[in-house]
Amino acid sequence: DQQVKQNSPSLSVQEGRISILNCDYTNSMFDYFLWYKKYPAEGPTFLISISSIKDKNEDGRFTVFLNKSAKHLSLHIVPSQPGDSAVYFCAAKVSGYSTLTFGKGTMLLVSP
Amino acid sequence: EADIYQTPRYLVIGTGKKITLECSQTMGHDKMYWYQQDPGMELHLIHYSYGVNSTEKGDLSSESTVSRIRTEHFPLTLESARPSHTSQYLCASSNTATGAYGYTFGSGTRLTVV
Repeated sequence: DQQVKQNSPSLSVQEGRISILNCDYTNSMFDYFLWYKKYPAEGPTFLISISSIKDKNEDGRFTVFLNKSAKHLSLHIVPSQPGDSAVYFCAAKVSGYSTLTFGKGTMLLVSP
Repeated sequence: EADIYQTPRYLVIGTGKKITLECSQTMGHDKMYWYQQDPGMELHLIHYSYGVNSTEKGDLSSESTVSRIRTEHFPLTLESARPSHTSQYLCASSNTATGAYGYTFGSGTRLTVV
């Protein structure tokens, strides 16, 4: 029973354009969401997060949007760069618990 | 510069062997975790620890065991490796005392059991 779903296994975008990665969740107890980026043969690295009390968080080229009513969040990367090519994982947690629940990831390929 | 270290990075081992995957962190984080990940799949939590002498099983049933005798060290042991244990194993830590929820991950151990 997947509680965090990333339904797009892959996404291809041209350099300079916007990349939009989507994530849906089913557990209404989740109140904190994170995005991780993973290169092959490396561990995931933290990218950006958002609390359920917000609907948007921005950090440079990366913006995360949260729609609680739809149980949906998205990561926008503008402009996309070839170095952004990686697997992006969406993760969620419940207040009071430190463990994270991850989605399957979306492989982003940014071509020059 | 990595603050959480996993060794070995790659391991090919025969069925029935006992193996220990090492994980150490130098950040003084109180919580540590082991996740298992197969290609194209989500990270599955198999063990976690909230501090010294504290260990818990995660969501994914695992035949491995862990120990937390020191804050910085969280090794994972498989008593008898099987081909079904072939996977990538990722160790992570977090410091909830600061209010930060993100994990710091190690580079992982890619295990192949033949």
